[in-house]
Amino acid sequence: EVQLVESGGGLVQPGVSLRLSCAASGFTLSNHWMHWVRQGPGKGLLWVSRINSAGTSTTYADSVKGRFSISRDNDKGTVYLQMNSLRVEDTAVYYCARESPAHSSELDSWGQGTLVTVSS
Amino acid sequence: DIQMTQSPSSLSASVGDRVTITCRASQSISRYLHWYQQKPGEAPKLLIYSASTLQSGVPSKFSGRGSGTDFTLTISDLQPEDFATYYCLQTFDIPRTFGQGTKLEIK
Repeated sequence: EVQLVESGGGLVQPGVSLRLSCAASGFTLSNHWMHWVRQGPGKGLLWVSRINSAGTSTTYADSVKGRFSISRDNDKGTVYLQMNSLRVEDTAVYYCARESPAHSSELDSWGQGTLVTVSS
Repeated sequence: DIQMTQSPSSLSASVGDRVTITCRASQSISRYLHWYQQKPGEAPKLLIYSASTLQSGVPSKFSGRGSGTDFTLTISDLQPEDFATYYCLQTFDIPRTFGQGTKLEIK
């Protein structure tokens, strides 16, 4: 069974850093590009970042570019999101999602999410 | 960025009804359009990929159509478990963009 389990969320003050982890199981992580998507309280879904299967190419939403960094360790089966200089508007549930290697790059499996609250 | 305009933003319907949700892209995205269902407190669940292909395990009451810029999701014979929020997602280009969501409520 495919499983994605996020961790690392919490309550932090503006300006600090936080690292989220996404532990993958039930499939071969190295075969998949991976994404982070966030959802603010009562809001819709917002794509955050993407990393290729080897970890050599990354892309970011403009709202997080220069502050967030996505990485992965395929041997450990884990994807990370390093979040620096956090802002109140980064408050959200952060989901990691797997991209299908076939079809049309749809995000076919999602974790349950981890809540990040940025507040003073 | 490709803008995804989803309508309506909310929809009230009764058990047994059939409803249609629309997603329009600001430029052609071929068939790189996918539909998700999200229930409160849960992660999004993939229903349909590539505009019209049903994800494994998803009941055939869900159907999708469209290509280019205009897409629809139709849900037939609504049941209590179908009342949720639905999102479209384009994967034609980066950044990936979602529609703003359609909240389907029981009338």
